[in-house]
Amino acid sequence: GQNIDQPTEMTATEGAIVQINCTYQTSGFNGLFWYQQHAGEAPTFLSYNVLDGLEEKGRFSSFLSRSKGYSYLLLKELQMKDSASYLCAVRDSNYQLIWGAGTKLIIKP
Amino acid sequence: IAGITQAPTSQILAAGRRMTLRCTQDMRHNAMYWYRQDLGLGLRLIHYSNTAGTTGKGEVPDGYSVSRANTDDFPLTLASAVPSQTSVYFCASSEGDNSPLHFGNGTRLTVT
Repeated sequence: GQNIDQPTEMTATEGAIVQINCTYQTSGFNGLFWYQQHAGEAPTFLSYNVLDGLEEKGRFSSFLSRSKGYSYLLLKELQMKDSASYLCAVRDSNYQLIWGAGTKLIIKP
Repeated sequence: IAGITQAPTSQILAAGRRMTLRCTQDMRHNAMYWYRQDLGLGLRLIHYSNTAGTTGKGEVPDGYSVSRANTDDFPLTLASAVPSQTSVYFCASSEGDNSPLHFGNGTRLTVT
């Protein structure tokens, strides 16, 4: 079966750096997405990786290793507003999105 | 403001009743999707439409139906609601296969 694994919850301190990991086992691979979802709100797009390596976008970076079935989202200079769930999703060979259950990130002052 | 509009925002529904969740987008995206989100689980695809006039079944289609008469609208119908359909429902759209999904604000449905 297809599977996306992410930690359920993480805690970090304001101003620090946190890395949220995502491992996947899917039928084929056509890209990996990271989304942010604040409580009670809709998911919003953060990043997209289709080739191996690091994609940087401001305070957020996303890394992909297709051979390892692994990605991470790196958040720098954490702010209180970064408290949210972070969802990893992979497009399989049929271009269907497979979603992880999300990682709830708690930022403490 | 361009985006996706879902209605209603929330609804309490008696089991056995029929309900249609509405979804409208003004971005002229070809692809549209309906997901449900339950605590501890990833988003699960109910139905999708790659273009107006076509629909397909996702991971959890039973008990739900959709139609796509035009590009903008993609309603989701529960013919006879059951308590296990209590969930948050998100409608989404995208330009194409490698494009990100844009989500509506969701409908919180409680079936009693």
